[in-house]
Amino acid sequence: DAMVIQNPRYQVTQFGKPVTLSCSQTLNHNVMYWYQQKSSQAPKLLFHYYDKDFNNEADTPDNFQSRRPNTSFCFLDIRSPGLGDAAMYLCATSRGSGALDTEAFFGQGTRLTVV
Amino acid sequence: AQKITQTQPGMFVQEKEAVTLDCTYDTSDPSYGLFWYKQPSSGEMIFLIYQGSYDQQNATEGRYSLNFQKARKSANLVISASQLGDSAMYFCAMSRMDSSYKLIFGSGTRLLVRP
Repeated sequence: DAMVIQNPRYQVTQFGKPVTLSCSQTLNHNVMYWYQQKSSQAPKLLFHYYDKDFNNEADTPDNFQSRRPNTSFCFLDIRSPGLGDAAMYLCATSRGSGALDTEAFFGQGTRLTVV
Repeated sequence: AQKITQTQPGMFVQEKEAVTLDCTYDTSDPSYGLFWYKQPSSGEMIFLIYQGSYDQQNATEGRYSLNFQKARKSANLVISASQLGDSAMYFCAMSRMDSSYKLIFGSGTRLLVRP
């Protein structure tokens, strides 16, 4: 019954080696979000899509890129991971169709380790 | 610009007692949504309750209620009859209700329920 699925749950990557995290949804939601969450901190919004419209946060490093090839899938690419990029990465979706319809549904996250 | 502030990094509450978690926000948008999420140690984000900026009544969901004071820009979460399973991180979040549907989080409050 999982509605927002993130793969993999745990990812270990080497310093500087490109890595891609994936997120898929079965909710047909318009909006998909990527957050970075470090230990005991709040989720930090990296970017989000409304349909195909990409919204980047001003303080998101260029090292982080995203793709949304269709409604169901969204990818987070880290071009050259550094030790400081080790974190939990959360994907979320929301319907984005009306004022009362903005609850975000979260995946279980991908915990990224950089070695 | 939007901003969410949670001033209580940690809170203790005795089992079966009520507890209030504080949240203040800042926005110039007339339409917005306010949310509370629970994040247990497992890392998943669990939606608890929602309040729309135009809602006249405070939201309630079971043991959770949201004390919405629009003029003071506060949206405090009240948990009644605390249970041991309520021990977790609690995040207040705010969403714009324009075409961007941007969703940002406060810094969180760690709640520990004592037996």
